[in-house]
Parts: sequence; C-alpha cells; structure tokens
Amino acid sequence: AQSVTQLDSQVPVFEEAPVELRCNYSSSVSVYLFWYVQYPNQGLQLLLKYLSGSTLVKGINGFEAEFNKSQTSFHLRKPSVHISDTAEYFCAVSVKTSYDKVIFGPGTSLSVIP
Amino acid sequence: DAGVIQSPRHEVTEMGQEVTLRCKPISGHNSLFWYRQTMMRGLELLIYFNNNVPIDDSGMPEDRFSAKMPNASFSTLKIQPSEPRDSAVYFCASSPRGDNEQFFGPGTRLTVL
Repeated sequence: AQSVTQLDSQVPVFEEAPVELRCNYSSSVSVYLFWYVQYPNQGLQLLLKYLSGSTLVKGINGFEAEFNKSQTSFHLRKPSVHISDTAEYFCAVSVKTSYDKVIFGPGTSLSVIP
Repeated sequence: DAGVIQSPRHEVTEMGQEVTLRCKPISGHNSLFWYRQTMMRGLELLIYFNNNVPIDDSGMPEDRFSAKMPNASFSTLKIQPSEPRDSAVYFCASSPRGDNEQFFGPGTRLTVL
C-alpha cells in the first residue's frame, strides 16, 4: 500500500522569501506524484505532477518540485513567495491502475507574512 | 467545460434528517470520487467509481452513508439519518483515464445541528 507523509503541518514564511514544503512517500511500485493547492473555501486544484522523465517538474504560480527516487521524496519549492500563496498544500501519490485512486497527505498550511 | 459541479454549496439541516449531495463530473471523465474534509481528520476518501461502478467504498464511515452513480454525468451521496458529527465539507472529484489527475468541485459545506 502507498502512503504520504508531510512532516510540516504549518509553515510560516515572510513575503518574498523562499519556501520548501516537504513530502515523502512509501510505495513498493512506481508511482505518479502530485501537489495540489487549496485556497480558503475552495476545492483542491493541481499545482504540478510527476509522471516520468525529468525529475524536476515545474508547475503553476512559479512552483516546482523535484522527484528523488532514492529518498522517496517530492519536495515543493518556490524561490519567492507572495501573499496570495497562503493556502493549504497537499502532496499525493498514485499507482497506475485502472481506477486512478490517489492517496493524499495530511496537508501543509503555508502562511505568508507581509 | 464548467468543471465539476456540486450542489448544494451549503446545507444546514437538523439531526435525523436525510441529506443528499449531488455531483456532476466533467464530461468524458471515467472516475468519480467523493471526499470528506474536516479539521480533525483532514481529507478522507469515502468512495470512488470507475465507469459508474463503485470500486472501493471502504472509506464510507457507516451504513448511514450511501452513494450512487446512475449514469456517467451524475452522482449522489446520501446520509440518512444525519448526525452532528457528519458536519464537514464534502468534495466530489473526477478524473480522466490516464495519469490520475483529479479535478475537484467547489465542495458542499454540510452543517448538521
């Protein structure tokens, strides 16, 4: 079975500072990896995804993530955060099956301080 | 495309009443998922369908919860009878065949008094 760990439940960061949100997963087979963002009172939306190929994945709003197979990690980074990046961020993993089930992590709340 | 549509957006009901939440997935998507989100438990997968067939309902908390997908463009999640601990935001998501990306609806905020 797959699982996802997000070690940091809350991350405060000053505006224009860099940020890294950590994600580790466990799986005995190859996986797809995702980061979703949830703004207040909204549903989740996809930030970026890793399916195969280059381990550095670029997403929307200036975010990027790097897949590290040996460390089973998929950390999310942004070099300079904005107030508008304040949101909940979810890492997720899935195994390619016929049924597309995705396992979500517990989420990291990013607060950008002006 | 309008995205995943959920109704109602807000529901306030009294304990013991029946509640029905509705979802219209994105046209052409093969899989549909129902999630529940609370502060205490985070995001929980309740049930998911593939080609209108329930695949895994192990996340449904108890017999008071039921879900149906009579056709590819409509699904319901029903709670009968409702209890205060069912208060949460319920999300529907759909996914096309392929890379497992899910598209979420705006959610239904349920309050059971």
